[in-house]
Amino acid sequence: EVQLVESGGVVVQPGGSLRLTCAASGFTFDDYAMYWVRQTPGKGLEWVSFITWDGGITHFGDSVKGRFTTSRDNGKSSLYLQMNNLRDEDTALYYCARGTSAHAFTYCDCWGQGTLVTVSS
Amino acid sequence: DIQMTQSPSSLSASVGDRVTITCRASQVTKNFLAWYQQKPGEVPKLLIYDTSTLRSGVPSRFSGSGSGTDFTLTISSLQPEDVATYYCQKYNSVPLTFGGGTKVEIK
Repeated sequence: EVQLVESGGVVVQPGGSLRLTCAASGFTFDDYAMYWVRQTPGKGLEWVSFITWDGGITHFGDSVKGRFTTSRDNGKSSLYLQMNNLRDEDTALYYCARGTSAHAFTYCDCWGQGTLVTVSS
Repeated sequence: DIQMTQSPSSLSASVGDRVTITCRASQVTKNFLAWYQQKPGEVPKLLIYDTSTLRSGVPSRFSGSGSGTDFTLTISSLQPEDVATYYCQKYNSVPLTFGGGTKVEIK
């Protein structure tokens, strides 16, 4: 069974940093590109980041570009989101999601349960 | 950036009704368009990809159509378990934008 389990969400002050982790299991992790998607409480979905199977190519949404980075450790079947210079508007539930290609942009066929990040002083 | 505009933002329909949700892209997205269903308190789930391909296990009352910039999700006969918010997403190029969502309720 494919499983994605996010962790690392906490309450953090504006300007702070945080690293989220997504632990994958039930599939060959390095066969797939991976995504982070966030959802503000009570609102819609926002794409955050994309990373190819080998971490060689990453892309970010405009609202996080320059502040967030993503990486992966295929040996540990883990995906990471490093979040720096956090703002109030980064408060959201962060989902890890699997693509359906190793390289290309695709839809997300599996999603984790999410981890909540709250940015507040 | 490409905007994905869903309409309506919410709707209320009776069980058995045909429901149509529209997603309009501000630029051509070819057929790289997916639909997701998010039931209250749950994680988004993929329903349809490549505009019209139904994910395995998704009831056949769901269908997708469209091309270019205009896409549609149709529920042919609304069921109580279809109460959810539905999102479209383009994935032909970054940014991989989601629509704002359509909340479907039972009348």
